[in-house]
Formats: sequence, structure tokens, C-alpha cells
Amino acid sequence: AQSVAQPEDQVNVAEGNPLTVKCTYSVSGNPYLFWYVQYPNRGLQFLLKYITGDNLVKGSYGFEAEFNKSQTSFHLKKPSALVSDSALYFCAVRDPGGGGATNKLIFGTGTLLAVQP
Amino acid sequence: KAGVTQTPRYLIKTRGQQVTLSCSPISGHRSVSWYQQTPGQGLQFLFEYFSETQRNKGNFPGRFSGRQFSNSRSEMNVSTLELGDSALYLCASSLPSAQETQYFGPGTRLLVL
Repeated sequence: AQSVAQPEDQVNVAEGNPLTVKCTYSVSGNPYLFWYVQYPNRGLQFLLKYITGDNLVKGSYGFEAEFNKSQTSFHLKKPSALVSDSALYFCAVRDPGGGGATNKLIFGTGTLLAVQP
Repeated sequence: KAGVTQTPRYLIKTRGQQVTLSCSPISGHRSVSWYQQTPGQGLQFLFEYFSETQRNKGNFPGRFSGRQFSNSRSEMNVSTLELGDSALYLCASSLPSAQETQYFGPGTRLLVL
């Protein structure tokens, strides 16, 4: 069964420093991977996705993620963190080989990013 | 283009009641999915509708049901509410391909007393 793991409940980083939020996945076929961000009392906001092609994916607000097939990872990164980046981040996977057409996403447990001024 | 809208935004019900939540997808999106978000269980898939047909269903009891209308708007219903149904219910819409991005609405926060 497909799954997503976010090993860190919380990541603390100082403003201006680089940040990484980790994600590993397990799927039966080639994964479609997504990152979303959630601010308090809001829905999920799409950041970026990997479908195929270049392993380095660039997304919104300066975020990027690197797909690593051998390590089954899709870590989210940003070169310089902002206080406004503080939020809850979710990694998600869709397994197109799961059989049948579906847009079902499997989410990780989320990582709370706290950026200190 | 307007985003996904959900109504109502907040709802308080008592145990045993039923509730209906509504979702209007982004124009042109015919796939609508529903998710439940709770502190204990995280984000869990409820069901997905495409062209008025349920295409996939998560592991939830039969008290949870949904439907989609010809204009792609969707509703979900929870009957005989339990305290554990208190959650943020999120709706997402997308184009039908698995490569497409799901865009989420702001959610409906349901509190069951």
C-alpha cells in the first residue's frame, strides 16, 4: 500500500537560513508527489509537484523540492526562510499504478515549520 | 478564476443529528474529492466524484456519503453524528487526470457536541 512519511513533527529555523522539510514515500509504481502548505484555519495551498522529468522541481514562494528515486524521498527546501513561511506543511502522493482512475491523495502527518525572527 | 468554495464554513451540531456540507469546484473541474482532517488521524480521504459518479471511496463508515451534481458541485452528508466526527472537512477539485493538481477549498469546520 502506498504511504508517505514525514519524520519530523516540527522544524525550527532562523529567518534567513535555509530550510528543509523531509518526506519519504512508498508506492508500487512511479509516484506523483505533491507539497501543500496550511496556514491556521485555512485549507491546503498547493506549493509544487513532481510528475516526471527533472528531479528538481520549483514551486511557489521560492520553494523547491528534489525527487530522489533511490532514496524514495521528496524533500522540500527553501534557500532563505521567512517568518511568514511558518505554517504546517504536508507531503502527499498519488499512485497512478494503483488501479483505476483516481485522484486520491495519501498525505503525510504534516510538519510544523517555525521560523524565528 | 474563482477558487474552490465550501459552505458553511463553521457548523455546530449535536450527536445523532445529520449534516450536509457543500462544495463548488473551480470552473471546468469535474473531479471533486473530500478529505477529513483531525488532530489525531491527520488528513484522510473520504471519497472522490467525477462526472456525478463516485470514483473512489476511503475507509469510512456508511454514515458518510456524498454526491455530485451535473454542474460538478458536490455535497457530502454525515448521518447520525458522533463526537468523533468533529473535524475540518476539506473539498478539493481538479481536472480528471492523476497528474493534475488538486486545489483545496477553505474547509468546513464541524463541531459535534
